[in-house]
Amino acid sequence: DSGVTQTPKHLITATGQRVTLRCSPRSGDLSVYWYQQSLDQGLQFLIQYYNGEERAKGNILERFSAQQFPDLHSELNLSSLELGDSALYFCASSVDTGRTDTQYFGPGTRLTVL
Amino acid sequence: GQQVMQIPQYQHVQEGEDFTTYCNSSTTLSNIQWYKQRPGGHPVFLIQLVKSGEVKKQKRLTFQFGEAKKNSSLHITATQTTDVGTYFCAPVTDSWGKLQFGAGTQVVVTP
Repeated sequence: DSGVTQTPKHLITATGQRVTLRCSPRSGDLSVYWYQQSLDQGLQFLIQYYNGEERAKGNILERFSAQQFPDLHSELNLSSLELGDSALYFCASSVDTGRTDTQYFGPGTRLTVL
Repeated sequence: GQQVMQIPQYQHVQEGEDFTTYCNSSTTLSNIQWYKQRPGGHPVFLIQLVKSGEVKKQKRLTFQFGEAKKNSSLHITATQTTDVGTYFCAPVTDSWGKLQFGAGTQVVVTP
């Protein structure tokens, strides 16, 4: 158990819909990272937040957005869902936001878009 | 942008044998992390390499960072069934700790 929690564990929805994935980082961690893992794209970095502020963006679609709240939990919002958005979405957290910080991954949310 | 290639993509190993997975970058890396993901699980941090030529060992796992800091390797000796999973290298690509994961090496161990 990494100490990072993600809800829900599974999510099944239809194309065109909108969903929200939630992540609670380890106690004391200020940075939250979101990743998408699919069979054809591997593990792709989406976005990073540090203490409520966006720090880095990766291959995140405009239909996707995220935020980190004052209590440091984070939400990833996916809208206008397409079949290709079906994937595992991982959240990770680290103590700070430096080059050498270890990232601790949550169990993931499996999203299936039908 | 920075490209990371991890080879092989798949590795079938007989229990007790050794194997090595490689991570190659087109650019010089600041530091690199390795993660392991068991089937159905999430990535778990294994090690971080920072210095040129650095070698670190964790029991049967040996991690190495190339002298030019453009490649890294993971060598596992006397493979066990508990070594099953996908091993990812992940160079740190910016000062905020952003990782770029390689495609991973999926390891299958046969008894």
